[in-house]
Amino acid sequence: ETGVTQTPRHLVMGMTNKKSLKCEQHLGHNAMYWYKQSAKKPLELMFVYNFKEQTENNSVPSRFSPECPNSSHLFLHLHTLQPEDSALYLCASSQDQRSSYNSPLHFGNGTRLTVT
Amino acid sequence: DQQVKQNSPSLSVQEGRISILNCDYTNSMFDYFLWYKKYPAEGPTFLISISSIKDKNEDGRFTVFLNKSAKHLSLHIVPSQPGDSAVYFCAASGWGGGADGLTFGKGTHLIIQP
Repeated sequence: ETGVTQTPRHLVMGMTNKKSLKCEQHLGHNAMYWYKQSAKKPLELMFVYNFKEQTENNSVPSRFSPECPNSSHLFLHLHTLQPEDSALYLCASSQDQRSSYNSPLHFGNGTRLTVT
Repeated sequence: DQQVKQNSPSLSVQEGRISILNCDYTNSMFDYFLWYKKYPAEGPTFLISISSIKDKNEDGRFTVFLNKSAKHLSLHIVPSQPGDSAVYFCAASGWGGGADGLTFGKGTHLIIQP
């Protein structure tokens, strides 16, 4: 399998649930990212991991908790979410974090999250 | 305040004609610009990029033009094909800035009519 794979593709959860989103990349990249895409808004960067170390937390509420056990896997743990957190969550990877010029982002197909 | 603006939410073009997608930016520190294409139910895919030392970059049917003085870039698709129907995102970053420094526009939905 190649590219960036995200599971599940769709997720419906209640506000009291705990769930996790999973991302796996098979590109040998060293940097991984979580983005949020809400309706009629630009892509918003949430978290960045470079060589398994978190290098960016873009003022994301603590109800979103990332985990990067190795350079190929990235998780987003969700708990006590709000309805306004409903969005498309995209995982991406790049060769490294240093330069977007030499290292374009490769995105997964996303998880469509609905919080009820 | 949005630093990368795509002011046309949608654009309809006849098959075979030229599609022109526009993007404006406000941050003069941006030095590198990218276009991503997104089909429904798929993630964005990298399409083409341009650095500020150039004013044009061409790749097959796709050409990106950069006008630094106007802080404007455009993506030209010639000739337009049905498979080009997708949402196109413009993104920008500072030179040497990491992918974490990418700022995206809201996207333009291109519809190619047969």
